[in-house]
Amino acid sequence: KAGVTQTPRYLIKTRGQQVTLSCSPISGHRSVSWYQQTPGQGLQFLFEYFSETQRNKGNFPGRFSGRQFSNSRSEMNVSTLELGDSALYLCASSLRGSYNEQFFGPGTRLTVL
Amino acid sequence: DAKTTQPPSMDCAEGRAANLPCNHSTISGNEYVYWYRQIHSQGPQYIIHGLKNNETNEMASLIITEDRKSSTLILPHATLRDTAVYYCIVRGPNSGGGADGLTFGKGTHLIIQP
Repeated sequence: KAGVTQTPRYLIKTRGQQVTLSCSPISGHRSVSWYQQTPGQGLQFLFEYFSETQRNKGNFPGRFSGRQFSNSRSEMNVSTLELGDSALYLCASSLRGSYNEQFFGPGTRLTVL
Repeated sequence: DAKTTQPPSMDCAEGRAANLPCNHSTISGNEYVYWYRQIHSQGPQYIIHGLKNNETNEMASLIITEDRKSSTLILPHATLRDTAVYYCIVRGPNSGGGADGLTFGKGTHLIIQP
């Protein structure tokens, strides 16, 4: 069974731009969660989607948004990029929700210049 | 979610058992203990979870004290590939409403020495 895939793996943007990251969960998984990892703050929860609905959201500004499609694939968008948005963005999928075992993708490394 | 306390780093000799402690003194009755690890430059990997009974799978064993205020993750025969940051996470079951994401602390950086 294929694992969680994330595209692109690496991305360089400049301040003020917007970016869209993509995540394809494991086949059959309906829950997709997004996390941000930085050296200073560690791994922080962004939001979770289940069956195309956002179920919960972490403590991030409205510039961070996401969506999930009917095939469970998910995208997250960051608008008006700031230098502090430079991070590894991780996507995790699970069968029914984030209380179940979560399978993480390799992440997208975003650098904001 | 209840908070957890883990040592920042530990060393273990290759081939020996690695015992990683975690304190979760404020855990409530319906909260589970989860362990994940993150090898450098990779996404976190699920290891094991449990409620009150000890659990074992192909990767590790989880020992939870009777009062549930602490637990130990045991890697029975550590290899160099087990060098990673290990995260102990405590959280409750999904009530069907909002589902919070995992709250990762600083974890324990386990270094397996050859």
